[in-house]
Amino acid sequence: AQTVTQSQPEMSVQEAETVTLSCTYDTSESDYYLFWYKQPPSRQMILVIRQEAYKQQNATENRFSVNFQKAAKSFSLKISDSQLGDAAMYFCAYRSYNNNNDMRFGAGTRLTVKP
Amino acid sequence: GAVVSQHPSRVICKSGTSVKIECRSLDFQATTMFWYRQFPKQSLMLMATSNEGSKATYEQGVEKDKFLINHASLTLSTLTVTSAHPEDSSFYICSAPPRTPRTSGRRTDTQYFGPGTRLTVL
Repeated sequence: AQTVTQSQPEMSVQEAETVTLSCTYDTSESDYYLFWYKQPPSRQMILVIRQEAYKQQNATENRFSVNFQKAAKSFSLKISDSQLGDAAMYFCAYRSYNNNNDMRFGAGTRLTVKP
Repeated sequence: GAVVSQHPSRVICKSGTSVKIECRSLDFQATTMFWYRQFPKQSLMLMATSNEGSKATYEQGVEKDKFLINHASLTLSTLTVTSAHPEDSSFYICSAPPRTPRTSGRRTDTQYFGPGTRLTVL
């Protein structure tokens, strides 16, 4: 079974600075999707960024970018120019392409943004 | 973007009663919906997959007789917690990937999440 590991329970960043959240996963599949979701205090899950494993180019969405290292099974999230609104729980998630049921989440990283 | 709603957003019930939670896709059809459970300060754990027109698929360790799932239509799935007990108190979240047209290439990878339902069993 696929597992997703987030080794940083908590992270802190100064406003306007850059922070990187780490995520590793374990799979024997070659085709899959990876996601970063944000969960603010409202508990609503918000998709931040997604990466398809067959694409070598790292995904980028405005201030959010990923460093996808397929061989190392690593999928880190970089937040540039951090804003107070970025404070939230961040979950890394894996979804199998072939198995429609198989979306697995990491334990999460709580990000605090200091003014 | 696509919207998924859940109702109710918050429910408090007495031990032994049953509680129904609805998950609706408001502007797209979903043949599959997923139900997750999230305990405080923990991650989302997949409980079951709701399939329109067929039985739900439950994850290992989830009691199907306790958590009844009905996927009544392409826009509605319900989760009923039967004979609820305090240990069932949790945050329940549903998600749905939009139905993929048969003529398209890769299967859609996006899941849209509902806002969640906080269940408290006294």
